[in-house]
Amino acid sequence: NSKVIQTPRYLVKGQGQKAKMRCIPEKGHPVVFWYQQNKNNEFKFLINFQNQEVLQQIDMTEKRFSAECPSNSPCSLEIQSSEAGDSALYLCASSLLGGPEQYFGPGTRLTVL
Amino acid sequence: AQSVTQPDARVTVSEGASLQLRCKYSYSGTPYLFWYVQYPRQGLQLLLKYYSGDPVVQGVNGFEAEFSKSNSSFHLRKASVHWSDSAVYFCVLIAYQGGRALIFGTGTTVSVSP
Repeated sequence: NSKVIQTPRYLVKGQGQKAKMRCIPEKGHPVVFWYQQNKNNEFKFLINFQNQEVLQQIDMTEKRFSAECPSNSPCSLEIQSSEAGDSALYLCASSLLGGPEQYFGPGTRLTVL
Repeated sequence: AQSVTQPDARVTVSEGASLQLRCKYSYSGTPYLFWYVQYPRQGLQLLLKYYSGDPVVQGVNGFEAEFSKSNSSFHLRKASVHWSDSAVYFCVLIAYQGGRALIFGTGTTVSVSP
């Protein structure tokens, strides 16, 4: 079973509010991924890190979304100004360096009212 | 373009019956493929993986999958389902360009009836 920890499990925000969620990857996993899963089970890759460095991110995350994985602290994903369309399950996954398998946390379900 | 298609959005089977979930992929080269399962209010759990070699791979809880390069398929099977197998199953491809993001199918919801 995966040992990726995500907090909080549920997050409710009003439009325009900041939303921040955290992820602790499995011990020894230097690569962290963030995905967005919408209600239609469509997944969108947002960003990933190797240790503290961004490996890849989509255009969307360069605007309202920001993420970081500081040393010795949880990784985080923050939406600066939430919109209704951001309502989704945000999944964090981690992997070994070069390891194809990604192990997922339970997700943070964001609802933007 | 790389993609994964799961043609069946929902499947209902009786407990004890066999199950097959279909998956077609589009990828130039030899893909790395996975099946993940998502139980209600939980994250994704890895069921099994295929990288190379024997096209039939075994996973957890009695699941197996068969890779076919000629058909671009990676179908999941289970000989006898249990009510606890009710969940959403995702076929997943790994994209090795850039940061190795996963490409997901839209899932098949499996309901096991008593």
